Amino acid sequence: QQQVKQSPQSLIVQKGGISIINCAYENTAFDYFPWYQQFPGKGPALLIAIRPDVSEKKEGRFTISFNKSAKQFSLHIMDSQPGDSATYFCAASILNTGKLIFGQGTTLQVKP
Amino acid sequence: GAVVSQHPSRVICKSGTSVKIECRSLDFQATTMFWYRQFPKQSLMLMATSNEGSKATYEQGVEKDKFLINHASLTLSTLTVTSAHPEDSSFYICSASPTGKDTQYFGPGTRLTVL
Repeated sequence: QQQVKQSPQSLIVQKGGISIINCAYENTAFDYFPWYQQFPGKGPALLIAIRPDVSEKKEGRFTISFNKSAKQFSLHIMDSQPGDSATYFCAASILNTGKLIFGQGTTLQVKP
Repeated sequence: GAVVSQHPSRVICKSGTSVKIECRSLDFQATTMFWYRQFPKQSLMLMATSNEGSKATYEQGVEKDKFLINHASLTLSTLTVTSAHPEDSSFYICSASPTGKDTQYFGPGTRLTVL
């Protein structure tokens, strides 16, 4: 019940295309859903985050879509660039604990 | 803003020795910090929650006597891997949340190699 399931495990997209990564959860106590980007040998960097009272949030080329009834959320990267090639993690935070449960990660490769 | 640093970035030690890793929030105060462990090509696994001025809370399966955590101030938490063995080799990452906020900011990580 504490898991966050992320798919796909890996993704190859052409430059300029849209990258879509999906996550699903079971625990309704999750109240905060961030996405992180991680480059090899580096710590994760926060990209964008959403709360369940909002169905969509956009920041630049990054958009989170949130479906509370389906317990799913996704990251869309518009106009994907080779510099976006990295591993992306979704996460969910348990209410009043701050603890983050991470998805399994998606390795994105954007081809020039 | 919201920068978290870790020191050292890399450490190689012999089996049986102890290693201390520092995590600092540089431009904000953090009542709570978190320690994660990440194996190659895997996700981040939460090891423990570090609370300033009190004992850390460890996740199930994490040995508290092996991974000693101290959070002595609002900007510093330390993780000491005691009597390290090769299986402790991993990438250790800390995170910190500004007091009262949900957002976690991650440090750059520490690569520990135990020979």
